Amino acid sequence: KAGVTQTPRYLIKTRGQQVTLSCSPISGHRSVSWYQQTPGQGLQFLFEYFSETQRNKGNFPGRFSGRQFSNSRSEMNVSTLELGDSALYLCASSLGWGGQPQHFGDGTRLSIL
Amino acid sequence: GQQLNQSPQSMFIQEGEDVSMNCTSSSIFNTWLWYKQDPGEGPVLLIALYKAGELTSNGRLTAQFGITRKDSFLNISASIPSDVGIYFCAGQLGDNAGNMLTFGGGTRLMVKP
Repeated sequence: KAGVTQTPRYLIKTRGQQVTLSCSPISGHRSVSWYQQTPGQGLQFLFEYFSETQRNKGNFPGRFSGRQFSNSRSEMNVSTLELGDSALYLCASSLGWGGQPQHFGDGTRLSIL
Repeated sequence: GQQLNQSPQSMFIQEGEDVSMNCTSSSIFNTWLWYKQDPGEGPVLLIALYKAGELTSNGRLTAQFGITRKDSFLNISASIPSDVGIYFCAGQLGDNAGNMLTFGGGTRLMVKP
């Protein structure tokens, strides 16, 4: 059974650019969440989508946005990139909404020059 | 934002030894989860706990959901070299909070053969 797939695995951008990351959840999973992982702040929740609607949002600026498609696949976008956005961005999927365990992909490593 | 206190931050043990790590919170969670992350990969779910007082095993791993719902611990018995990695606890409120996870800072486990 295929797990959560994230593309690309690595990305290098410069300040001021924007970036789009992609996530395909486990087949049948309808909820997708995004997390940012950095050495200083650890794993922090960005947002969660269910049935194409953003249901929860973490404490991140509006430059971070996302969406979910009808096939449950999700994308997140970061605009006007800053050096501090360098991080591992992890996508996780769950079967349904509320109290379901999350299963993670291997992440996209974003480096900002 | 809300933080989970995970300890110890790191452990360097001899192969065959037992390991114990724990996580505490100032708030109640309805679900506790434990994940392991290897370098270059996303966190992998080890154990999920759904009820206060619950004790659950997965091979050499045993985890417990604290009675107060504010803590959890993970034990690894007879450690082997492949246990090396970073272990994370995560709390989940569930219900209207969806599947969002709040993570501890991680315990880095190193095993000496």
